[in-house]
Amino acid sequence: KQEVTQIPAALSVPEGENLVLNCSFTDSAIYNLQWFRQDPGKGLTSLLLIQSSQREQTSGRLNASLDKSSGRSTLYIAASQPGDSATYLCAVRISGFNKFYFGSGTKLNVKP
Amino acid sequence: SAVISQKPSRDICQRGTSLTIQCQVDSQVTMMFWYRQQPGQSLTLIATANQGSEATYESGFVIDKFPISRPNLTFSTLTVSNMSPEDSSIYLCSVEGTGVAGRTQYFGPGTRLLVL
Repeated sequence: KQEVTQIPAALSVPEGENLVLNCSFTDSAIYNLQWFRQDPGKGLTSLLLIQSSQREQTSGRLNASLDKSSGRSTLYIAASQPGDSATYLCAVRISGFNKFYFGSGTKLNVKP
Repeated sequence: SAVISQKPSRDICQRGTSLTIQCQVDSQVTMMFWYRQQPGQSLTLIATANQGSEATYESGFVIDKFPISRPNLTFSTLTVSNMSPEDSSIYLCSVEGTGVAGRTQYFGPGTRLLVL
C-alpha cells in the first residue's frame, strides 16, 4: 500500500521568504504526482502535476520536483506572500490504478 | 479542465438521518470519485463511481452506509445514511480530466457536514 508523508505538518514564515515543502512516498511505481492547495473549509485547487517521466514542473513562483528513485517530491515557493497561506497537499497516483493517495498536508502561514 | 459543483455546500443534520450530496460536472467523464476529509485529516477515498455500473468502495466503506448513484456521465450523488457525529466531515467529489500537463484530478468545492 502506498503511504504518502508530508513534512513539516505546519510552517510559519515571514513574507518574502523562499520555502520548501516536502512529500515522500513509499512505492516508486507512480503514474504521476500532483500538488494541491486547500483554503480553510474549501475544496482543492490543483497547483502542479508531474508525470512519472518528468523531473520538475514550474508555474509562476511555484516549482515542483520529483525524484522517483528516492520517493520524494518538493514544492518550492519563491518570495512567499500572505495570500499563499493555505494547506498544501500532495497526492500520488499509482501506475495501473485510478486511485490517488494523499499526504496529510502542510499548513502554511505567511505573516505580513 | 473540468468545473465541478456540489450541493449542498454545507449542512447541519441530526443523528440517525440521511443526507444526499449532489455532484455536477460541466463535461462528460467516465469516472467520478468521492472523498471524505475528516477534521484535521487528509483525504480518504470512499468510492469510485462509473456510469452504468455499481460503485467500487474502498476498504472501510460500505454501500449500505454510503450509497452512490451515477445516472449519467455528468452527475453523481453520495448519500450518507443513518448519520452519527463521526460522519462530520467535508465530502468532496472529484473527476479526472486532461490538463496542460497531462491527466489531472479536479475537485469540487466540497460539502461540509456537521452531525449533532
